Amino acid sequence: GAVVSQHPSWVICKSGTSVKIECRSLDFQATTMFWYRQFPKQSLMLMATSNEGSKATYEQGVEKDKFLINHASLTLSTLTVTSAHPEDSSFYICSARARGNEQFFGPGTRLTVL
Amino acid sequence: AQSVTQLDSQVPVFEEAPVELRCNYSSSVSVYLFWYVQYPNQGLQLLLKYLSGSTLVKGINGFEAEFNKSQTSFHLRKPSVHISDTAEYFCAVSEGSSASKIIFGSGTRLSIRP
Repeated sequence: GAVVSQHPSWVICKSGTSVKIECRSLDFQATTMFWYRQFPKQSLMLMATSNEGSKATYEQGVEKDKFLINHASLTLSTLTVTSAHPEDSSFYICSARARGNEQFFGPGTRLTVL
Repeated sequence: AQSVTQLDSQVPVFEEAPVELRCNYSSSVSVYLFWYVQYPNQGLQLLLKYLSGSTLVKGINGFEAEFNKSQTSFHLRKPSVHISDTAEYFCAVSEGSSASKIIFGSGTRLSIRP
């Protein structure tokens, strides 16, 4: 199957700083990528849908100015958590939609904000 | 809007016993249905999916699921589980269009006892 990578796999940062997470589709082009967050022992909550070349569509309750999404190319989407606080600590997972409409998920990025 | 309900948050079973993980969905349109598995500190792996056609879907690792439109269910089954099946299982739904996002259920933790 198609491969989606995320970088970094884990990151620790100080409160108030910004963190960028990359999501790449390694062997296919993805016009649409999705960003999810997962709190411990909970399900994945969709944060936003990222379309190449256009603004991301955010789910209700997700602050677009705090979670900046850029889908610069058909193989790369980035999520930047701005002015991170401890409550932003979570597992962030991206997925990329291939041409056959199947979504492939990345391995996730664990963010810890001190 | 579509939604997914996983009634069992935890399912403990003995090794080599059969297991069923329940999933019910709601949607006003046709849907695609998925089961994903998540091992600790890892991303999601697709177990199986229903898009159309035969209502009995076979997936990896010996799992299968049956789509029941009248009961709006998509229960996951395995006739004999192994210790290695210990993981979190997520049922998910996507409305039947190329632009649809995937919505996840709350997850079921399957724990296998020797």
